[in-house]
Amino acid sequence: DQQVKQNSPSLSVQEGRISILNCDYTNSMFDYFLWYKKYPAEGPTFLISISSIKDKNEDGRFTVFLNKSAKHLSLHIVPSQPGDSAVYFCAARGSTLGRLYFGRGTQLTVWP
Amino acid sequence: SAVISQKPSRDICQRGTSLTIQCQVDSQVTMMFWYRQQPGQSLTLIATANQGSEATYESGFVIDKFPISRPNLTFSTLTVSNMSPEDSSIYLCSAIIWTGTGGTEAFFGQGTRLTVV
Repeated sequence: DQQVKQNSPSLSVQEGRISILNCDYTNSMFDYFLWYKKYPAEGPTFLISISSIKDKNEDGRFTVFLNKSAKHLSLHIVPSQPGDSAVYFCAARGSTLGRLYFGRGTQLTVWP
Repeated sequence: SAVISQKPSRDICQRGTSLTIQCQVDSQVTMMFWYRQQPGQSLTLIATANQGSEATYESGFVIDKFPISRPNLTFSTLTVSNMSPEDSSIYLCSAIIWTGTGGTEAFFGQGTRLTVV
């Protein structure tokens, strides 16, 4: 059973515009959420995270929003750049040292 | 942050053979994990590699098929045994690292792309 879901396998956005990647989860015990970015032939790299006690975390062009009541989070990239083209994985965990549960990823393509 | 070196980066293997993947972390870590990513799928946890004791396997994964070693706090290996084409996948090791802000993050190796023919 997929506890973390990314229902959009792909997203295409023009350079300079906003990219919004969505993620839903089912387990209310999750208290920490992360986004990873993955280029081909590389392992996932950490991008940004948010604790369940917050509803927003911002880091430069990247902002993650968390809606606990809806069990939904989203990653906003503004402005989008061609170098952002990659697969983005949403992940969640229930404890500080715990394993991560991943979504299936969304392939973001940013075109000039 | 941490540097996690994983090797080999890719391999093509004959069915029925075994492949051992190595994962080296540049600092001591408590938790190490092995994931698999099949084409078009999410990262699926195979097992947690415990230092000094047997690995803890997730449902659907067994020690005979995926034996794991964790001899110390910086190194782990995953063996894919008696391979079949269904084992073709990307295998990733991961470590939980304490960050400077008091929290933890999961870092990944670059992955091993395995093709079984």
